[in-house]
Amino acid sequence: NAGVTQTPKFQVLKTGQSMTLQCAQDMNHEYMSWYRQDPGMGLRLIHYSVGAGITDQGEVPNGYNVSRSTTEDFPLRLLSAAPSQTSVYFCASRVEDTQYFGPGTRLTVL
Amino acid sequence: EDKVVQSPLSLVVHEGDTVTLNCSYEVTNFRSLLWYKQEKKAPTFLFMLTSSGIEKKSGRLSSILDKKELFSILNITATQTGDSAIYLCVAGAGSYQLTFGKGTKLSVIP
Repeated sequence: NAGVTQTPKFQVLKTGQSMTLQCAQDMNHEYMSWYRQDPGMGLRLIHYSVGAGITDQGEVPNGYNVSRSTTEDFPLRLLSAAPSQTSVYFCASRVEDTQYFGPGTRLTVL
Repeated sequence: EDKVVQSPLSLVVHEGDTVTLNCSYEVTNFRSLLWYKQEKKAPTFLFMLTSSGIEKKSGRLSSILDKKELFSILNITATQTGDSAIYLCVAGAGSYQLTFGKGTKLSVIP
């Protein structure tokens, strides 16, 4: 039981590049979400999904897309990276109110 | 607007000290209060509280919720350097809403 896994752990992009952050969970949780964490800002919700085929926007969705084709996977796409997207990104799955976080992806956009 | 406020924002103590971390919340349709510990990587779950006045304990950590005064405290007794971390308070409300505090950074020095 791996829990929540994320890849890559680190990534450097140039402004304008696109990429996908991968997230997978093997706990059969319906609810998954993506957060970004910035100094002094805490964890902010980007997008979330309450089940396969269902996604919705969180607090800071601009510049990001998600899809949920299976229960296990919830990728986050950066369409055209900007320096403001430099952050640490956490994926989480959830049962009731308890969240299980992935190890995070540290993204730097130059 | 839902909000969770943690205090203090940072705290430095010596090993062996007892610390109390505070979390106040204002959310609509409150459901639960959760505490997480975040060291260098992802937050890890500590406690979930749903009822007032019932203390939850895990080793040297304990937490209690006051739903009348809308706050929770996290106590750590006989602190150790391994307790150094950011402690996050999260309020669950509504259907899926989770509101995060910005965290208290605890530093325990030998």
